[in-house]
Amino acid sequence: GPKVLQIPSHQIIDMGQMVTLNCDPVSNHLYFYWYKQILGQQMEFLVNFYNGKVMEKSKLFKDQFSVERPDGSYFTLKIQPTALEDSAVYFCASSFDRNAEQFFGPGTRLTVL
Amino acid sequence: QQQVRQSPQSLTVWEGETAILNCSYEDSTFDYFPWYHQFPGESPALLIAIRPVSNKKEDGRFTIFFNKREKKFSLHIADSQPGDSATYFCAASALNAGGSNAKLTFGKGTKLSVKS
Repeated sequence: GPKVLQIPSHQIIDMGQMVTLNCDPVSNHLYFYWYKQILGQQMEFLVNFYNGKVMEKSKLFKDQFSVERPDGSYFTLKIQPTALEDSAVYFCASSFDRNAEQFFGPGTRLTVL
Repeated sequence: QQQVRQSPQSLTVWEGETAILNCSYEDSTFDYFPWYHQFPGESPALLIAIRPVSNKKEDGRFTIFFNKREKKFSLHIADSQPGDSATYFCAASALNAGGSNAKLTFGKGTKLSVKS
């Protein structure tokens, strides 16, 4: 089936540094999402993105977070600067339209030291 | 506030038994209820989903039972197989409540082990 790829699978950085998480969504999908999962907790919605714009974001999407998809390339989540509480697995998802199935990537495990 | 509650946290059944995973929700605007499963090291993948126009949805060995009045829905896995061992997440979304994109609200997951 359609696959969403995420790069890297694991990232370890020092607190205060910048990190960019990359997502390669399904090729004809138009809607993109980021979810955050802290160990032992549920996946929580961060943000969704359509037509070059953030459509909705949760309270977890702090000012230090930003998303973009320049020129149809990777859909990225940037955190600058990072904090200890940003340590989590970040899942990217994409869908063809807002009512369609969301396809998830395998996640990027971010460890902030 | 946890909007989607899932139980049990873990479940062990014998091969051939029916596994029952439960979820409840609070938000009355939710109108789409998918179940995802995730094998270790892999992406969460959609297993089956229901909309509240019906109270039951079947797909092979997998059945969702939906109770709108009690705001509960469950996943029944009949004739469980060792290959069904995975973590199962229920979720909910408000597709018709407006907004441009339908965010999913997830439960915490149930780790299912099927023993042979």
